[in-house]
Amino acid sequence: EPEVTQTPSHQVTQMGQEVILRCVPISNHLYFYWYRQILGQKVEFLVSFYNNEISEKSEIFDDQFSVERPDGSNFTLKIRSTKLEDSAMYFCASSRQRANYGYTFGSGTRLTVV
Amino acid sequence: DQQVKQNSPSLSVQEGRISILNCDYTNSMFDYFLWYKKYPAEGPTFLISISSIKDKNEDGRFTVFLNKSAKHLSLHIVPSQPGDSAVYFCAASADTGNQFYFGTGTSLTVIP
Repeated sequence: EPEVTQTPSHQVTQMGQEVILRCVPISNHLYFYWYRQILGQKVEFLVSFYNNEISEKSEIFDDQFSVERPDGSNFTLKIRSTKLEDSAMYFCASSRQRANYGYTFGSGTRLTVV
Repeated sequence: DQQVKQNSPSLSVQEGRISILNCDYTNSMFDYFLWYKKYPAEGPTFLISISSIKDKNEDGRFTVFLNKSAKHLSLHIVPSQPGDSAVYFCAASADTGNQFYFGTGTSLTVIP
């Protein structure tokens, strides 16, 4: 069964550093998403991406964050100048059609900011 | 802004019995609902969906019920199996958007 692959599974970074979280969506999917889940809290939407541009973003997704699909297969989330409160599980997801048909999620990257 | 609420953080059920997980929402624009299952150290896995034109959707042991007037949905698992032990999230979206709003999850434990 096709999978969404995320790397690394765990990233530890110092506060103020930049991190890039990587995702390989399912190959024939057209819509891409990042969500995060702070420990003990709900899964929160960050951003959706379609046709090489952001289609929707949440209040969480401020100037500190950016997304890119650099080579047609990878989908990355960059966090500039990380803060302690950025520590969370970050989930990438993709879908073939618009969101209301459901997504396939990756297994997540645990980001720890120290 | 808790648009989707799961008020029971945990639930324990005996194997073979019915598990009922509940979810409430506040936004009347939501028209599509999903249930996801999540094991530790894994991403959410899609379980079952329902659109607002239906009030019930069934897939094997899993049935989702939607009560639009009460803004309430529930997931029934019958019979419950130990492998069903996981955290279950309900999520909702409106046709106008791309994002899903997740509840905080209910941790289900099925006791053998």
